[in-house]
Amino acid sequence: AQKVTQAQTEISVVEKEDVTLDCVYETRDTTYYLFWYKQPPSGELVFLIRRNSFDEQNEISGRYSWNFQKSTSSFNFTITASQVVDSAVYFCALSEPNTGGFKTIFGAGTRLFVKA
Amino acid sequence: EAGVTQFPSHSVIEKGQTVTLRCDPISGHDNLYWYRRVMGKEIKFLLHFVKESKQDESGMPNNRFLAERTGGTYSTLKVQPAELEDSGVYFCASSLGGGLPKGYEQYFGPGTRLTVT
Repeated sequence: AQKVTQAQTEISVVEKEDVTLDCVYETRDTTYYLFWYKQPPSGELVFLIRRNSFDEQNEISGRYSWNFQKSTSSFNFTITASQVVDSAVYFCALSEPNTGGFKTIFGAGTRLFVKA
Repeated sequence: EAGVTQFPSHSVIEKGQTVTLRCDPISGHDNLYWYRRVMGKEIKFLLHFVKESKQDESGMPNNRFLAERTGGTYSTLKVQPAELEDSGVYFCASSLGGGLPKGYEQYFGPGTRLTVT
């Protein structure tokens, strides 16, 4: 069955520290998409990244980087040199367009506190 | 290009009352989705429209929830009567449709925070 696990409920770091948010997923399909979203205090969901199951290349975007490993069914997200503005809830998500339709399955979210 | 919009941004109602949430998808997007996050838990899928048709409503919690998308444009989600456990944030998303992956990418609205007292 589809499932996304974000084991870290809350993480608290001091500004400029690096932080990694873990995401483990379960799927029976060979074609799937993984996502990360950010939900700042204002409440909206901000799309960060989409990866498809056939592309395991890690990606870096500024201070953000993502490590996709199919062997361990993980899609971890690292923020380098964290800033106070990074404080938010981060959601990892999965969708299986072939077997699961178009719905997206979200993890429970990890709340990140970055202290000045 | 305008993004997905939702109205109202916040609604406070009493148990037993009715509330209607509205979502305007990105213009031209055939697919529209409703999700909700209750009690700080994970965001859960409610249903999916393709144009005006309900493609998948497997996530609708019970018959107190009614979603419509007349004319295949905006959608409404009515909760009647509201219960305390309905409190949470209701998100709408839309996607273009068509081929993967671009047509499949979902754009989320800002959400409606519903508080039932």
